[in-house]
Amino acid sequence: AQSVSQHNHHVILSEAASLELGCNYSYGGTVNLFWYVQYPGQHLQLLLKYFSGDPLVKGIKGFEAEFIKSKFSFNLRKPSVQWSDTAEYFCAVMTGGFKTIFGAGTRLFVKA
Amino acid sequence: DTGVSQNPRHKITKRGQNVTFRCDPISEHNRLYWYRQTLGQGPEFLTYFQNEAQLEKSRLLSDRFSAERPKGSFSTLEIQRTEQGDSAMYLCASSSTGVDTEAFFGQGTRLTVV
Repeated sequence: AQSVSQHNHHVILSEAASLELGCNYSYGGTVNLFWYVQYPGQHLQLLLKYFSGDPLVKGIKGFEAEFIKSKFSFNLRKPSVQWSDTAEYFCAVMTGGFKTIFGAGTRLFVKA
Repeated sequence: DTGVSQNPRHKITKRGQNVTFRCDPISEHNRLYWYRQTLGQGPEFLTYFQNEAQLEKSRLLSDRFSAERPKGSFSTLEIQRTEQGDSAMYLCASSSTGVDTEAFFGQGTRLTVV
């Protein structure tokens, strides 16, 4: 069965620290990969996506992610976090049936 | 059309009652999805429509759950004989037809069964 694993459930960082959130998926076929963000009290929003081409994708608000096919990974990075990045981050995989499978999420708290 | 709309935003019901939620997708989107999210978890897939056809249902969708999309536009999710374990956020998402497409989510309906 397809699954998505996020390595950290909670991350606490100080402002200006670098961020890397791990994501691994299990699915043998072609996948589309996403990171969604959910700010407190708001709905899920797309942060970035990978469909094909350059495995390093850039999203909104300075976030980027790298698809490493051999490792079935799609880690999210940001060089310098801000207090406003405090949110929950979800890695997701869309398989051939157009069903999106989500990881359990990582709660990021950025200390001002 | 500014996005996926879900109603109601909150629903409190007594155990054993039936509830129905509505989702209005982005107007040009053919695909519609229902998810359930509980505290500390990511959204779990429930079911998926392409136009009015329900193409996939999760094992999570017990016989008490039914979803419809009668005219290929809005969708309803009904839960019969609610149980406390049904308490969750129910999310609706929509996407366009195509290989390279992402899902756009609504704000969800939070169900509390007391």
